[in-house]
Amino acid sequence: EPEVTQTPSHQVTQMGQEVILRCVPISNHLYFYWYRQILGQKVEFLVSFYNNEISEKSEIFDDQFSVERPDGSNFTLKIRSTKLEDSAMYFCASRDSERIASPLHFGNGTRLTVT
Amino acid sequence: QKEVEQNSGPLSVPEGAIASLNCTYSDRGSQSFFWYRQYSGKSPELIMSIYSNGDKEDGRFTAQLNKASQYVSLLIRDSQPSDSATYLCAVNDNAGNMLTFGGGTRLMVKP
Repeated sequence: EPEVTQTPSHQVTQMGQEVILRCVPISNHLYFYWYRQILGQKVEFLVSFYNNEISEKSEIFDDQFSVERPDGSNFTLKIRSTKLEDSAMYFCASRDSERIASPLHFGNGTRLTVT
Repeated sequence: QKEVEQNSGPLSVPEGAIASLNCTYSDRGSQSFFWYRQYSGKSPELIMSIYSNGDKEDGRFTAQLNKASQYVSLLIRDSQPSDSATYLCAVNDNAGNMLTFGGGTRLMVKP
């Protein structure tokens, strides 16, 4: 069964450094998402992306965050200057375009630790 | 602000019993609803989706939706210890651009 792939599985970085989290969505999917989950807390929406544009973003997704689809397969989340509070599990998700209501399929996540 | 509320639990049931998980949501215009299962340290895994009022059954799982009451539930029949996980209710906006999750209910199935 096709799946969403995320790399790396764990990223450790120092405060103030830039990080790029990478995702390969399911190949025929056109809608892409990033979510995060701070340890012990709920899964929070960051951003949705379609047709090379951001469709929706949350208050969390400030100027320090950006997303990009640099080629036909990858979808990246960049955090420009990491803060301690950015430590979380980051999940990429995708869905197909057949129905607006089609479910999201999640990758295994990248655990980001900011020290 | 769209809210999705769940009792955090833990909900403890004996093996073989029915587990009942509940969720309420604030956006009356929501049209699609999902239940995900999340094991500790893992990603959310889709269990069921439901779009119309009433019940939808899939194996041991039954999702129930009542849009008038803004209420979604999940029943797990013949609960197994392997069902022990956190169950996340998720509600989509009309455009499908933002899926909002509840905080999850932790289910413990005791052998």
